[in-house]
Amino acid sequence: AQTVTQSQPEMSVQEAETVTLSCTYDTSESDYYLFWYKQPPSRQMILVIRQEAYKQQNATENRFSVNFQKAAKSFSLKISDSQLGDAAMYFCACQGGSEKLVFGKGTKLTVNP
Amino acid sequence: DTGVSQDPRHKITKRGQNVTFRCDPISEHNRLYWYRQTLGQGPEFLTYFQNEAQLEKSRLLSDRFSAERPKGSFSTLEIQRTEQGDSAMYLCASSSPDYAYEQYFGPGTRLTVT
Repeated sequence: AQTVTQSQPEMSVQEAETVTLSCTYDTSESDYYLFWYKQPPSRQMILVIRQEAYKQQNATENRFSVNFQKAAKSFSLKISDSQLGDAAMYFCACQGGSEKLVFGKGTKLTVNP
Repeated sequence: DTGVSQDPRHKITKRGQNVTFRCDPISEHNRLYWYRQTLGQGPEFLTYFQNEAQLEKSRLLSDRFSAERPKGSFSTLEIQRTEQGDSAMYLCASSSPDYAYEQYFGPGTRLTVT
């Protein structure tokens, strides 16, 4: 079984600044994937970034990057040069041992102009 | 490619009624997933199909819930004898054979049971 914990219910950032969203997870699987999904208000979930657990290099997608600390079971998301369109709920998720995604409770990100 | 579509987008029903939702995955995606999301929570897994075979079901999926994917294309999720606790957003996702770990979500069906 897997668990995913997001300890920050809400975060805010000034436009153009950098923000880091935290996520910790627990899994007994040796082979697993970690994800960050974005859910804008009244819109569908969008995959932001993924990390394969066997890869040591942190994943990067444009302004989004992760800090994957396998031993600590930590998987944080850094958003650089924040934009108004980044405002959304962000969910951390883990997939391992089966096809299902296990999600955290989410972090609501507000971007202030 | 039009993405994952779900129908209806909103459904209001009275307690005790049956409801059915439909999900059309991205074409050529052989895996299809159903999740339920309640207010303030992350999505919770319900069930998963590979082609027409239902391979995994959550304990959340009580005997009032049934899902089908008869020809390995679209899927339906039926809830019988709805209860107020069934009020939630029902999300569908699909993934391809080559990238099974990347799930693409639809817009969801919001169910309100009165």
